[in-house]
Amino acid sequence: AQSVAQPEDQVNVAEGNPLTVKCTYSVSGNPYLFWYVQYPNRGLQFLLKYITGDNLVKGSYGFEAEFNKSQTSFHLKKPSALVSDSALYFCAVRDPRGASKLTFGTGTRLQVTL
Amino acid sequence: GAGVSQSPRYKVAKRGQDVALRCDPISGHVSLFWYQQALGQGPEFLTYFQNEAQLDKSGLPSDRFFAERPEGSVSTLKIQRTQQEDSAVYLCASSLGNRLTGTEAFFGQGTRLTVV
Repeated sequence: AQSVAQPEDQVNVAEGNPLTVKCTYSVSGNPYLFWYVQYPNRGLQFLLKYITGDNLVKGSYGFEAEFNKSQTSFHLKKPSALVSDSALYFCAVRDPRGASKLTFGTGTRLQVTL
Repeated sequence: GAGVSQSPRYKVAKRGQDVALRCDPISGHVSLFWYQQALGQGPEFLTYFQNEAQLDKSGLPSDRFFAERPEGSVSTLKIQRTQQEDSAVYLCASSLGNRLTGTEAFFGQGTRLTVV
């Protein structure tokens, strides 16, 4: 079975400071990993993914994430947070060996303040 | 349209009523997913289509839930005899590749179902 844990319900950051949103996963083989963002009353928007290759992946809006196989983590990062980054962030995993579905974490609310 | 389109955006149903939720995926996308998102939770997988074939329906919570994609494009999620616990946002997503590829899924805005 595949699963995702997002240990923080909420992350608070001041604008201009770096941010990290944590994600750990559990899957039998090598994972496909994704980050999505959800704004109020909106669907999920794709940010970035790790499939294979370089452990550091870059995505939309200046976000990046680092795949760490030994720690089974895929933390989302941004060097300088913006107030407009405030939203709900979801990490998701898929086992490429056969599972169709993305399994999502419970989400982390990011609050960026001035 | 350029994105995944879902209708209606909002649906209020009386308990026991049947509802049908529609999803128009991105043109040419092979894979289509339905998810259920309860308030304050992450999306939970319901079912998956590859073209017109329903390859995974392991997430459907009961036999009251039924999904179809007869021509490999538009999909409908039907819920019979709705109950209050069915109240949630139903999200549809599509992706270009089949389930063995790493292509990302693009989500619609969802249908918020409220059963009263």
